[in-house]
Amino acid sequence: AQTVTQSQPEMSVQEAETVTLSCTYDTSESNYYLFWYKQPPSRQMILVIRQEAYKQQNATENRFSVNFQKAAKSFSLKISDSQLGDTAMYFCAFIIYNQGGKLIFGQGTELSVKP
Amino acid sequence: GAVVSQHPSRVICKSGTSVKIECRSLDFQATTMFWYRQFPKQSLMLMATSNEGSKATYEQGVEKDKFLINHASLTLSTLTVTSAHPEDSSFYICSAFDSQETQYFGPGTRLLVL
Repeated sequence: AQTVTQSQPEMSVQEAETVTLSCTYDTSESNYYLFWYKQPPSRQMILVIRQEAYKQQNATENRFSVNFQKAAKSFSLKISDSQLGDTAMYFCAFIIYNQGGKLIFGQGTELSVKP
Repeated sequence: GAVVSQHPSRVICKSGTSVKIECRSLDFQATTMFWYRQFPKQSLMLMATSNEGSKATYEQGVEKDKFLINHASLTLSTLTVTSAHPEDSSFYICSAFDSQETQYFGPGTRLLVL
């Protein structure tokens, strides 16, 4: 079975601090893509960061970076210098390469950034 | 990133009527689009996969005659909720799948059936 587990339903962080959201996944496939999506109160799903499984180098996007551990099937998201606008639900997900694009989602982590 | 629009953003309708939701990829062509339903504080639940020029593929438990999907062009997919009932009230989200194995999402449609 292909699954994504986000073990932290809720987290909070003080503004300007760093927070790490956990994600583990399970698949028997070797070629896939991993994603973090953000869903703020507006409910618009926004792509935060994308990682190709064949790349060893961890992806970064400004204040957002991932720790990708393929052998452990772990894909955590680190948010540095947290801002109030980072308050959102964060979903971890993956797509198996060349299999139609279906996303497998985790249950989400609700992050609150406090002033 | 790529832009996907969705219209309307919110709709209120009477029980028994049909509602059409449009999903457009604005700056890329998408042979595949997806339709999701989301309940508050929950993850997205995939309803169906929409492929341009062919019939949609529905997930188990989703009534294909109730949720009609048409993907007539590479930039437009529509979801029609037929004979809507209050239990169909929900937040519906579409996404478009690009050539880089990435889904981009529309802003969602809030449907309220009275």
